[in-house]
Amino acid sequence: GDSVTQMEGPVTLSEEAFLTINCTYTATGYPSLFWYVQYPGEGLQLLLKATKADDKGSNKGFEATYRKETTSFHLEKGSVQVSDSAVYFCALRGGNTGFQKLVFGTGTRLLVSP
Amino acid sequence: DAGVTQSPTHLIKTRGQQVTLRCSPKSGHDTVSWYQQALGQGPQFIFQYYEEEERQRGNFPDRFSGHQFPNYSSELNVNALLLGDSALYLCASSSVSGTYEQYFGPGTRLTVT
Repeated sequence: GDSVTQMEGPVTLSEEAFLTINCTYTATGYPSLFWYVQYPGEGLQLLLKATKADDKGSNKGFEATYRKETTSFHLEKGSVQVSDSAVYFCALRGGNTGFQKLVFGTGTRLLVSP
Repeated sequence: DAGVTQSPTHLIKTRGQQVTLRCSPKSGHDTVSWYQQALGQGPQFIFQYYEEEERQRGNFPDRFSGHQFPNYSSELNVNALLLGDSALYLCASSSVSGTYEQYFGPGTRLTVT
């Protein structure tokens, strides 16, 4: 079945450092790919998405490119802030109907210090 | 525009009891999905409802059941609670006529003792 693998955390960075969180996936067909963020005590917020190969999703300085050849969707940010400290989940949704579930990775905790 | 809301926020139950969690979808959404997020893990899909019917189900036992009402709100019921059912239960809503993006509520934290 479909699956998502994320790098284990926590990832600890100083403010203004460069961030990369790796994500690879296994899926049949052409899934849509997502990054969600979860702040302490809260639900999930959609951070960015890409629906086809070579698409780049971006939001709030975060970027990720859908790489079909390497089945990857790595999350990057050029300069992290303390407020970016959270847990980041990579997810996929197979198919193109409204009834497809999301399959999540285990999450990567990011800790940014001043 | 109200987002996805869930109630209650926290709940403590005893093994063997039954629990009902509630979800109201984002305005304009007609599909509700439920996920279980164990501590330190990613969310796992439980089931999805559209037009008051279960459309898809994940790998969860029949103790987990749900319902969707005509106003698109939804309930998740869990019978015969086990310690392992302790988790954050997330509701997500989406629209079959839109981009299918799922918007999540804040979750209900269930603790089974």
